Amino acid sequence: NAGVTQTPKFQVLKTGQSMTLQCAQDMNHEYMSWYRQDPGMGLRLIHYSVGAGITDQGEVPNGYNVSRSTTEDFPLRLLSAAPSQTSVYFCASRNQNDGYTFGSGTRLTVV
Amino acid sequence: AQKITQTQPGMFVQEKEAVTLDCTYDTSDPSYGLFWYKQPSSGEMIFLIYQGSYDQQNATEGRYSLNFQKARKSANLVISASQLGDSAMYFCAMTNTGFQKLVFGTGTRLLVSP
Repeated sequence: NAGVTQTPKFQVLKTGQSMTLQCAQDMNHEYMSWYRQDPGMGLRLIHYSVGAGITDQGEVPNGYNVSRSTTEDFPLRLLSAAPSQTSVYFCASRNQNDGYTFGSGTRLTVV
Repeated sequence: AQKITQTQPGMFVQEKEAVTLDCTYDTSDPSYGLFWYKQPSSGEMIFLIYQGSYDQQNATEGRYSLNFQKARKSANLVISASQLGDSAMYFCAMTNTGFQKLVFGTGTRLLVSP
């Protein structure tokens, strides 16, 4: 039982490049979400999903896209990377009766 | 909108002593959940304890207890008998009624000294 798996663990992008952060869970959780963590600001919600085919915006959605075609996967797409998107990104999932399970994070640097 | 406030940027405690990390919250949701997470220097988010807004008793998990005072909108974490391995960043968080998303505080860095 792997829990929540995020890939890659580290990534360096050039300004303007696009990329996808992967998140997969094997717990059949309905809810999945993406957060970014910046120094001194805690974790902030980017996008979330309550089930396959359903997504919604969180607190800081600009510059990011998501889709949820399967229960297991919830990728986060950076459309045109900017230095302000340098951050640590966490994916999390939960089910109705469970707490939130977090992935190990992706450290992204945009230069 | 929901908000979590953690007013202690850093806390120091000696090994074996108890420590309280403060958390206050604001929400208009009738039902909500409160969480505490630990983030060691390795970066992962470790779930510690959960309190539901309608739970009558304060939650406890081993050395962790949550001092829930609903009228004061506070959800302080108490760590008894601190250990060196407790040195980490601690985040208070809350969910909305539907439990779809978490709102985090800015965290408290705890340092446990020998």
